[in-house]
Parts: sequence; structure tokens; C-alpha cells
Amino acid sequence: TQLLEQSPQFLSIQEGENLTVYCNSSSVFSSLQWYRQEPGEGPVLLVTVVTGGEVKKLKRLTFQFGDARKDSSLHITAAQPGDTGLYLCAGMLTGTASKLTFGTGTRLQVTL
Amino acid sequence: EAGVAQSPRYKIIEKRQSVAFWCNPISGHATLYWYQQILGQGPKLLIQFQNNGVVDDSQLPKDRFSAERLKGVDSTLKIQPAKLEDSAVYLCASSRWDRFYEQYFGPGTRLTVT
Repeated sequence: TQLLEQSPQFLSIQEGENLTVYCNSSSVFSSLQWYRQEPGEGPVLLVTVVTGGEVKKLKRLTFQFGDARKDSSLHITAAQPGDTGLYLCAGMLTGTASKLTFGTGTRLQVTL
Repeated sequence: EAGVAQSPRYKIIEKRQSVAFWCNPISGHATLYWYQQILGQGPKLLIQFQNNGVVDDSQLPKDRFSAERLKGVDSTLKIQPAKLEDSAVYLCASSRWDRFYEQYFGPGTRLTVT
């Protein structure tokens, strides 16, 4: 059983479309991070959210932490081919300092 | 600042052989992680070091995997003997000792066991 479930597992869309990726758990996290990984590379940190209900924006990407700190979402507006990659959420369980638990991943493909 | 370095980038071995991976973290990062990533899945933590001490190795298959971090800087991960199911990408990451432990990853080593 995965602690952090992401949905959808795979998403193929055309340039200009909007999309949302979800990261869900039954556990409470003290903080949650989102990473993007391109083929042949390691994951790269996009954002860290800490407070329940927090919303952070990074250009066309909007990240939200659930009020109860059990879930998060990533919304991309007007997707571009450069957004293609594997999106990973990673949470730090309350009381487990320094250890991240990664989600199952969402593979996004954006075509012209 | 220089990123996390890993070598080799690719390795092909036969089952029952041994293999070693090397990682050099970002300078000043006290925490170092080794992850195993199966294609298309999220990374799975194998072992975590704080300086040169082990913080968590609960998911490390200790009958065949070993890791060390001498002098609290570079680290090596070894597999002996390798099995077919060890085929994966092995990622090294490092982070500062702070509140969020935001991780910086190396490019990974893709291991194929035949």
C-alpha cells in the first residue's frame, strides 16, 4: 500500500490545455514537496508547501496543500511541451524529521 | 554551486555479479540519501545518512546491499550479488540540515542486470 497516491498515473494532453494532478493520503504531513523529473535526470524540486490551505504559484503552475495537510494538488495552466515529465509529490510525515515519502508519480506528456 | 555528482551513469552486469555506485553531494549538505527508482515510479528510500551516521536503512535489503559514507562527504552503495529485480535507477540526493530537507538529486545510475 502506497502512502501517497497520485492521480492520474498518466496524462497526455495538447499544448494550451489545462490539467490538475492530485496527491492523496490518509496520513498528515508536516510539509509536502513537488518535484519534476525529466528522462535520464534526477527529480528537481518545484515547491514546498507547509501550511494547511496554502497556495503557491510558480508561473503557470499552482500548488495547493489541503486544509488537513493530507493531500495536495498541482494545476498547470496552458500546458507547454516543456512541461512534459514525471511529476512527484513527496511528503514529510509529522514526527519523522528529514525523511521524505514519495508518491507514485504522474507522467505528463504535452504534444504540439 | 556544483550539483550532486554520481558515477557511473550506466552499468550493465550479469546476475550474481557485484556493482558499486559513487555519490558526491553538494558541499555543506549534511544529509545524504540513496533511492531506488523503478521505471515510471516514485523513488524508494534505501538509506539515509546524517553526516557519516545512518538515520534510516529500514528498506535496504541488507543481505545484498551495503552503503557507507566515510568522513561525512562521499558515499558508495554496493550490491553483491545482484539479482534481476535490482534493475533500476539508483538516485543519490543531498539536503541541508534544516526544517524542510529539500532534496537535490544527482542524475542517477541506470543499472541493468541480465
